[in-house]
Order: sequence, then C-alpha cells, then structure tokens
Amino acid sequence: DAGVTQSPTHLIKTRGQQVTLRCSPKSGHDTVSWYQQALGQGPQFIFQYYEEEERQRGNFPDRFSGHQFPNYSSELNVNALLLGDSALYLCASSLVQGDNEQFFGPGTRLTVL
Amino acid sequence: GQNIDQPTEMTATEGAIVQINCTYQTSGFNGLFWYQQHAGEAPTFLSYNVLDGLEEKGRFSSFLSRSKGYSYLLLKELQMKDSASYLCAVEIVDSSYKLIFGSGTRLLVRP
Repeated sequence: DAGVTQSPTHLIKTRGQQVTLRCSPKSGHDTVSWYQQALGQGPQFIFQYYEEEERQRGNFPDRFSGHQFPNYSSELNVNALLLGDSALYLCASSLVQGDNEQFFGPGTRLTVL
Repeated sequence: GQNIDQPTEMTATEGAIVQINCTYQTSGFNGLFWYQQHAGEAPTFLSYNVLDGLEEKGRFSSFLSRSKGYSYLLLKELQMKDSASYLCAVEIVDSSYKLIFGSGTRLLVRP
C-alpha cells in the first residue's frame, strides 16, 4: 500500500521564478492538505483540497495556489518566489469520512536563492 | 486567533520518563494530535485525543483536558532513537478539518 508521495525531493529556484510541487495521496484517501515548514518551526497550513476544490485556506498570499485532479493527486504552485519561501513543503492526505488522521509525505525541500 | 505553545527544547536521559506539555487557545477545537518528526523527515502520527483523559499506546501516552486547553505527551523508557521534534497539533473544524501546529519541542535523549 503506497503511502503519500511527493516530487521533487529537492528544488532550487531563484527569486521571481515559479515552482510546481506534486503530491500523490495515500491509496484510498480523497483529501489533500499542504503545509509549509520553515526550519525549526512547526508546519503552517496553506490549504486543503477535496473533490477538486479548495475547501480551506490558511494565511498565505494568492501567490500560493493549488489544484486537485480527479485521481486525488494535487499540485502546489508558488509564483514570484521570495527568499522567505524557502522551506520544506509537506503534503498530507486523509479520508473525509475517516478518523481525520493525516498521513504526511516526505516533503519537498525548496531553496530560493 | 489561534495560539499553541510548547517548550522549544528538552533534554532527558536514556531509560527515563519525559513529559512534553502543550497549551492551546483556539476556536473550533475538535481534537489534538501529537506527531514525531526526525530531522529532515515527515511528521509521523503518535496519538489523537478527542475526549478528556489519558490515551496509552506502548511507551507513549497522551493526555487532554479540553476545559484547561492543555495536553501532554508522556514518553517512558526513553531510547536514543526518541531524539526528535514532537509536534502538538490542534484539529480545527469550520468548513472542514485542518491542523494548526505548535512550533515543536526538540527532545534530546542522552546516554
């Protein structure tokens, strides 16, 4: 049973560029949440997708956008990258009718130079 | 606003017991998770409390008091591999469920 997978593992970009991160949820899960984790901090909620729609959003600017596909996989897009966007981006999947436990992927380490 | 507090760092000795506290002030509280995160890795689930009281799972136990906005994670018989960050996360319900994380507690287990 495949767990949550994310790609790429690492990514280096420069300021002003755009980036797309990808996530495949755990088999059978239908909900995907994205988090940003700066070094030494806890994960910060970005947004959550269910049925291909954004259901909830944290305090992140519109430069952060996402998408969920019919197979429940998801993308996180960040435009006009800033140095402060450097972080570990975590994807977590869950089942909306389940016990709400979120399973985390290994994350994508984004470095903005 | 949503606020979750936990100590930044703790140190304990192998074989000992350590308690990591978490206090929270949130709206829409539904439950509380504890996650373990080793450096450079994803958080892994440890426990989930919805009702007041103690939940025990092997060497790990978690306690919740909803009226006091307080939880703790108790780790017994500490092992070197328990050195990690421990994240307290409050589950919030409004239009759906989402997690609000504390900054994490870095636990160092020494021989």
